[in-house]
Amino acid sequence: AQSVTQPDIHITVSEGASLELRCNYSYGATPYLFWYVQSPGQGLQLLLKYFSGDTLVQGIKGFEAEFKRSQSSFNLRKPSVHWSDAAEYFCAVGTFNTDKLIFGTGTRLQVFP
Amino acid sequence: GAVVSQHPSWVICKSGTSVKIECRSLDFQATTMFWYRQFPKQSLMLMATSNEGSKATYEQGVEKDKFLINHASLTLSTLTVTSAHPEDSSFYICSAWTSGTETQYFGPGTRLLVL
Repeated sequence: AQSVTQPDIHITVSEGASLELRCNYSYGATPYLFWYVQSPGQGLQLLLKYFSGDTLVQGIKGFEAEFKRSQSSFNLRKPSVHWSDAAEYFCAVGTFNTDKLIFGTGTRLQVFP
Repeated sequence: GAVVSQHPSWVICKSGTSVKIECRSLDFQATTMFWYRQFPKQSLMLMATSNEGSKATYEQGVEKDKFLINHASLTLSTLTVTSAHPEDSSFYICSAWTSGTETQYFGPGTRLLVL
């Protein structure tokens, strides 16, 4: 069965520091991978997605993620975090033959000035 | 592009009443729409999947008579919480999926408080 693990429940970084949010998935074939961000009381906004091709994917707001098949990972990175990046981040996995998504439990990012 | 709206953004109702939440894809046609429920500080829980013109498919443990879903067009799906009770209070989020992008786009959510 498909599953998504986000090992870090809560991460705190200083503004300007680099960021890496971890995501591991379990799926037998090549998955479709997504990162979404949710601000308090809001819906989810798509940051980036990976279907195939170049394993380093660029997204909005300066985020990028790298698909590593050997590690079953799709970690999200940002070189310099801004205070406005404080939010909940969800990793999700889907497949080509279904429109459903399996979500991780989320990582809450806190940014200190 | 790919904007999804929800209405209302928040609603307070008395126990026993029914509440309807609308989900619209504003600039694209959605093959499928999804309804999620989210509890505080938790991930999203998929409630049901709806396709235009078809009956919704409910996830295990979700009462279909309690949460009525209608998908009348390729741009509109509604979720009606019937005879709402305080335990139905939650944050409800819809998403719309299009086969062109193979991606779910989410609405801003509706916060329901049942008194």
